[in-house]
Amino acid sequence: SQQGEEDPQALSIQEGENATMNCSYKTSINNLQWYRQNSGRGLVHLILIRSNEREKHSGRLRVTLDTSKKSSSLLITASRAADTASYFCATDTLMGTYKYIFGTGTRLKVLA
Amino acid sequence: GAGVSQSPSNKVTEKGKDVELRCDPISGHTALYWYRQSLGQGLEFLIYFQGNSAPDKSGLPSDRFSAERTGGSVSTLTIQRTQQEDSAVYLCASSFRGTGANVLTFGAGSRLTVL
Repeated sequence: SQQGEEDPQALSIQEGENATMNCSYKTSINNLQWYRQNSGRGLVHLILIRSNEREKHSGRLRVTLDTSKKSSSLLITASRAADTASYFCATDTLMGTYKYIFGTGTRLKVLA
Repeated sequence: GAGVSQSPSNKVTEKGKDVELRCDPISGHTALYWYRQSLGQGLEFLIYFQGNSAPDKSGLPSDRFSAERTGGSVSTLTIQRTQQEDSAVYLCASSFRGTGANVLTFGAGSRLTVL
C-alpha cells in the first residue's frame, strides 16, 4: 500500500514560475525524502527532511514538513524546462526499519 | 561500482515463464531495496534487505515472487510463472546505513514485458 499521496497528480507551468507540489502520508515518520524521476527510469534523491525539522533549502528547492498534518511540500523556484520530471515523496516509519514507501508522484511539465 | 547496476535493462518473456532480474548495489551499501513501477504509476515496495538481518518481504505481491541477496551484495529478484500483470519496471536501490535515515541510490531499472 502507498504511504504517501502527492497532489497535484500533474502540473504544467511556464519557465520561470514556481512549482509547488504536496505530499500527505498516513503514519508517523522519522524522516521524509523527495526524489525526482526522469523518463520513467531511475530516481534521484533531492532532499531529506527529518521529523524535528520544519523547513529545509537546497538551491532552488524548498521543502516544508508539518508533522501535525502529516504533510510536506516541495517548492521549486524559478523553474526551468530541465525540471520537467516526476517528483515523489518517500517516508519511513517510526518503527525505524528504514523501509521507504513512495507516494504516487506529481508529473511536472515546465514549458519553455 | 560507481552506481547501482541492473540487468537486463529490458526483458520480454512469455506468460508462464520464469524470469530473473539482477541488481548490483554500490560497494559498501548494506541496504538493498526492490520496487515495482507500473506504467505511469508510483513505486510499489517489494522487499528490503539490511545487512545480515532477515529481509522485509511484506511487499511481495504473491508467492511467485522471491528475492535473495548473496554475500550481502548482489541481489536477484525471481518471478515464477509470469503473468501479464507482472509487466512493469523493476527498480533496485541501495543505501549506506545512515544515522536515522537511508538515502537511496537507484539503478536504471529492468523493464519486464510479459506477452
